[in-house]
Amino acid sequence: NAGVTQTPKFQVLKTGQSMTLQCAQDMNHNSMYWYRQDPGMGLRLIYYSASEGTTDKGEVPNGYNVSRLNKREFSLRLESAAPSQTSVYFCASSGDRAYNSPLHFGNGTRLTVT
Amino acid sequence: AQSVTQLDSHVSVSEGTPVLLRCNYSSSYSPSLFWYVQHPNKGLQLLLKYTSAATLVKGINGFEAEFKKSETSFHLTKPSAHMSDAAEYFCVVSDRRGSGGSNYKLTFGKGTLLTVNP
Repeated sequence: NAGVTQTPKFQVLKTGQSMTLQCAQDMNHNSMYWYRQDPGMGLRLIYYSASEGTTDKGEVPNGYNVSRLNKREFSLRLESAAPSQTSVYFCASSGDRAYNSPLHFGNGTRLTVT
Repeated sequence: AQSVTQLDSHVSVSEGTPVLLRCNYSSSYSPSLFWYVQHPNKGLQLLLKYTSAATLVKGINGFEAEFKKSETSFHLTKPSAHMSDAAEYFCVVSDRRGSGGSNYKLTFGKGTLLTVNP
């Protein structure tokens, strides 16, 4: 019972490099999310996809792009990495984009940009 | 504006003693409230949620929380701490804006680190 799977688990990039973080869920959920977690700041929403075929910006979308490839997969792309993007990135899913739907999280990708 | 404040950034208890993690919120709408737990190098896991049914909510692993509208609080408690409870805990508020329930904002608290001493 995998739930939400993120790859890679760790990544080190140089400033200006690009990469894509992958996320897949096997719970048949409609909604998927990307968050970043920084010390003392809680979690901040980068982008979300309420349903297959739609994506919307969250609180901190600058420097990121997303693709909802199909119902299962939601990827996050950094086109030109910056040190300020050093963070832990979490993908999450929920059955629906509803205010009372709990989120199911992956185990995170730890990204360092030097 | 919606906000959530976890009143303690770090709580330390002895094994077998009660746990109290405090959370206050503000919301202009009817909120849902959640507690999540994060163990080291893991994602967040739902402990419990309040969605306007019973004000005392029971969650997993013996945790419970009470929604107190008059105090705008949603404190998390457990009668007896276990070593495996050592983790970071996040209080989350979600308020519905308008009808349908799909237009909402989710705000995470900054977290409370729980240490359990043997």
